[in-house]
Amino acid sequence: AQKITQTQPGMFVQEKEAVTLDCTYDTSDQSYGLFWYKQPSSGEMIFLIYQGSYDEQNATEGRYSLNFQKARKSANLVISASQLGDSAMYFCAMREGYNQGGKLIFGQGTELSVKP
Amino acid sequence: SAVISQKPSRDICQRGTSLTIQCQVDSQVTMMFWYRQQPGQSLTLIATANQGSEATYESGFVIDKFPISRPNLTFSTLTVSNMSPEDSSIYLCSVVGTTHIYEQYFGPGTRLTVT
Repeated sequence: AQKITQTQPGMFVQEKEAVTLDCTYDTSDQSYGLFWYKQPSSGEMIFLIYQGSYDEQNATEGRYSLNFQKARKSANLVISASQLGDSAMYFCAMREGYNQGGKLIFGQGTELSVKP
Repeated sequence: SAVISQKPSRDICQRGTSLTIQCQVDSQVTMMFWYRQQPGQSLTLIATANQGSEATYESGFVIDKFPISRPNLTFSTLTVSNMSPEDSSIYLCSVVGTTHIYEQYFGPGTRLTVT
């Protein structure tokens, strides 16, 4: 069964520093997608970045990059130059198959606090 | 990306009543999804709603408790029926991206409190 594990319930980072949020996954499928979302206190889920299992390059979106290590089944999110507005919950999620609709399996989340 | 709106944004309801949550998307999408996030928890898929067919429910969720309508390709509703305090959650609708199908977007959520 597919599973997402985020082992860091809470993280602190100094403003302007980089931070890595850990995510490991378990699946028997060869084809899958990995997602990271940001959830501020307002409750909305903001899509940050996506990595497909067949993508050879690590995904990047602005200050966000995904460190994809397929053999280790890890998909860590790296946020460079942290900002105060980055303080939020961050969820890692997985979808099996490229065309399996919208069923995402989520990890338990990591609460990131950025210190000034 | 897809722009998704939900109504209401939040509500406080009495035990035993029902609430209907609306989800509107700015483009036509084949599938819409309803998720629940209980306090301090992660997100769980309730059901998948395809236009013109019955919604498909995940294990632990039933149609009598969470009836869903999908009258067209841009709109869906989720009703939370006969509410109890355990239904207090954020309810979010979600769609797969129309430009990039591997992307998936969520609405702003409906924060429900049942007293």
